[in-house]
Amino acid sequence: DAGITQSPRYKITETGRQVTLMCHQTWSHSYMFWYRQDLGHGLRLIYYSAAADITDKGEVPDGYVVSRSKTENFPLTLESATRSQTSVYFCASSEFGLEVETQYFGPGTRLLVL
Amino acid sequence: RKEVEQDPGPFNVPEGATVAFNCTYSNSASQSFFWYRQDCRKEPKLLMSVYSSGNEDGRFTAQLNRASQYISLLIRDSKLSDSATYLCVVNNNAGNMLTFGGGTRLMVKP
Repeated sequence: DAGITQSPRYKITETGRQVTLMCHQTWSHSYMFWYRQDLGHGLRLIYYSAAADITDKGEVPDGYVVSRSKTENFPLTLESATRSQTSVYFCASSEFGLEVETQYFGPGTRLLVL
Repeated sequence: RKEVEQDPGPFNVPEGATVAFNCTYSNSASQSFFWYRQDCRKEPKLLMSVYSSGNEDGRFTAQLNRASQYISLLIRDSKLSDSATYLCVVNNNAGNMLTFGGGTRLMVKP
């Protein structure tokens, strides 16, 4: 009954390094999402995926890359981390259909870029 | 103008008080509305959906006013455990994408 998990939970990295945040869900939900949450901005959508091999940009995609080779995994990569990418990152999943737009969130990854 | 706007608060209320939050949204084509709750340093979790006719879940009542494009959440008989940030969320019918407000922080004091 794992639901949706994220790893690592905490990460400290340096400017310019590549970082990958992992997200795994056990419900076989079609949709998966990546958000970042910052003070003063609330939750902002980075990328989302409607199904395996289908991804699309959200509100703030610059500097991020995603892939979805398997339904259950949706990794987010910061190709060259910048200090402005210091944030809390949440992964979420949902199933498409009537009255099922509820998104279920993972516990978050706290990322600090020095 | 933000798509979903909320008063950030904090709202400081005593236990047992009734408190109400409002939220406005800019897209008149928005289809679905929700309130999520987020505890400090935790992930957001669905509190309740908001239906056109209004709906109630225990001490919580949600209302939707499409004409004025606002959503409200009323909490009666506040408990210490209600202390959290309440996120107003709107689905603009673009697939399963949700737009989140910045949240309203509630602090219930003994």
